[in-house]
Amino acid sequence: KQEVTQIPAALSVPEGENLVLNCSFTDSAIYNLQWFRQDPGKGLTSLLLIQSSQREQTSGRLNASLDKSSGRSTLYIAASQPGDSATYLCAVKDDKIIFGKGTRLHILP
Amino acid sequence: NAGVTQTPKFRVLKTGQSMTLLCAQDMNHEYMYWYRQDPGMGLRLIHYSVGEGTTAKGEVPDGYNVSRLKKQNFLLGLESAAPSQTSVYFCASSYPWETQYFGPGTRLLVL
Repeated sequence: KQEVTQIPAALSVPEGENLVLNCSFTDSAIYNLQWFRQDPGKGLTSLLLIQSSQREQTSGRLNASLDKSSGRSTLYIAASQPGDSATYLCAVKDDKIIFGKGTRLHILP
Repeated sequence: NAGVTQTPKFRVLKTGQSMTLLCAQDMNHEYMYWYRQDPGMGLRLIHYSVGEGTTAKGEVPDGYNVSRLKKQNFLLGLESAAPSQTSVYFCASSYPWETQYFGPGTRLLVL
């Protein structure tokens, strides 16, 4: 059974720092992996989608990597800003879609 | 484009009552999904649909039914609500294997 883990559960960093969020999964036979952002009381906003054949995707200050063989993905956020404060979730798709429980990020002004 | 919309935004039910949550999307997506989000449990897939007239069970389907009579709509039904179904419900849609777009959520409280 696929399990998706995100560590740490919460993270606080000063504004301007670069940071990495981690996502690991137990079964490497996935179709894709997606990173989302969720603001309190809101729905999820897609950030990046990495297909299984891809190694990374970039959008602005965000870069997501995928290493299927080791069952890991990272989301790199460059030059963090207070507006980046949110919960970040990863989700893998095999025959189902399984979400991690998220990392709650707080950027300190 | 409105994207993905959900109706209602908030609802309070008594145990045993029934209700239907409506999800609508205007992006012509084939796939639609219903999730529930609970503290400490994360997001879990209830049911999904890969096209008009089709539905399939997700991770936690018990106590829920769904219908996809029109491509743009995906309905989630609770026939006899239980307190364990208190949650925030999210609908999403996507093209096959592509980015999922989420609605704003429905907060359901079952007393």
